[in-house]
Amino acid sequence: QVQLQESGPGLVKPSETLSLTCTVSGGSISSYYWSWIRQPAGKGLEWIGRIYTSGSTNYNPSLKSRVTMSVDTSKNQFSLKLSSVTAADTAVYYCARGELQSFDYWGQGTLVTVSS
Amino acid sequence: DIQMTQSPSSVSASVGDRVTITCRASQGISSWLAWYQQKPGKAPKLLIYAASSLQSGVPSRFSGSGSGTDFTLTISSLQPEDFATYYCQQANSFPPLFTFGPGTKVDIK
Repeated sequence: QVQLQESGPGLVKPSETLSLTCTVSGGSISSYYWSWIRQPAGKGLEWIGRIYTSGSTNYNPSLKSRVTMSVDTSKNQFSLKLSSVTAADTAVYYCARGELQSFDYWGQGTLVTVSS
Repeated sequence: DIQMTQSPSSVSASVGDRVTITCRASQGISSWLAWYQQKPGKAPKLLIYAASSLQSGVPSRFSGSGSGTDFTLTISSLQPEDFATYYCQQANSFPPLFTFGPGTKVDIK
């Protein structure tokens, strides 16, 4: 059974860079798309972007200028960096596996708060 | 960008009821539509992919239909564990962009 686990700081200061890592267990990271999705408290879901195991990326145009994703197949991990954060970036961040244009496995989510 | 709408935004129902949720895309998306269930404090769970394919392990009381711009999620006989928020999600192939509907909350009548 594939499992995903997000990790990273729960508190980030405004204007700094949010950094999260997702560790995949129970299966190989290879040959799949891996996405980051976020959800502000009480609100809906927003796709941030995805990375293929080759390193190819696609980002949401609304966030593209601030997002960088990377993958480390040797560690079965992929990562998200979101720069110049503001309070509007406060959300639960999920990592998820892409399959047939949907997301079949999700991490439990990690709350990131942007505050000084 | 393709916008997704859902109706109703909330529905109150009883155990055993048939519940139908509608999702509409602002332009045609073929059958690239998925449905998720989310309970408070939990990650979304994939129920339906490619508009009508049931994800492995999901009870058969869940079904999806539609293509183009109009899609439906049906719960044939609502169970206590089905009270949750349901989201649709579309996949635009070029450029790749995934967007979710605003959600439909199913609560107890």
